[in-house]
Amino acid sequence: GAVVSQHPSWVICKSGTSVKIECRSLDFQATTMFWYRQFPKQSLMLMATSNEGSKATYEQGVEKDKFLINHASLTLSTLTVTSAHPEDSSFYICSGEVGTGGDEQYFGPGTRLTVT
Amino acid sequence: EDQVTQSPEALRLQEGESSSLNCSYTVSGLRGLFWYRQDPGKGPEFLFTLYSAGEEKEKERLKATLTKKESFLHITAPKPEDSATYLCAGLGQGAQKLVFGQGTRLTINP
Repeated sequence: GAVVSQHPSWVICKSGTSVKIECRSLDFQATTMFWYRQFPKQSLMLMATSNEGSKATYEQGVEKDKFLINHASLTLSTLTVTSAHPEDSSFYICSGEVGTGGDEQYFGPGTRLTVT
Repeated sequence: EDQVTQSPEALRLQEGESSSLNCSYTVSGLRGLFWYRQDPGKGPEFLFTLYSAGEEKEKERLKATLTKKESFLHITAPKPEDSATYLCAGLGQGAQKLVFGQGTRLTINP
């Protein structure tokens, strides 16, 4: 299957600071990438859909000014959590779509964010 | 609104004890039903995609089936390394995003 990487795998930051998470498709070009967050013992919740070269589409209730998404190339998307607060602590997972239409998505290993 | 519901929430089995996980869905114009495995602290790992009722797919001790209302993930003679959370997700007609169920936490005791 296709491979997606995320960096960093874990990060600790202080409240009020910003942190950037990278998502890369290593062996395919991802026109679309998705960003999810997952709380302990809960399922994945889609935050936003990111299409290369255009603005991300955010799910209802997700603050676009707080979670900045950039998809500058077909192999890289970034999620920046701005002015992080402890409630932003979560497991963030990205996925890349092979082809179009959503029926082949491969997930990254996730990034654990802890805000102190 | 599209919805996917998994049951049970958690399941404990003895090694070798076969069982099934359920995924019920109400997804408009289902284009695909996906099964993923997720280990703690890791991203989901793709297992199967099912596209139409009656379809079955197998991989080692796992077999996924699909009807018009639900999907089953059958696990035969499981081993401790099969312990994980299993997620199912639906993709609707005209949609690009997956709708995930809550997952089933499967524990296989040796």
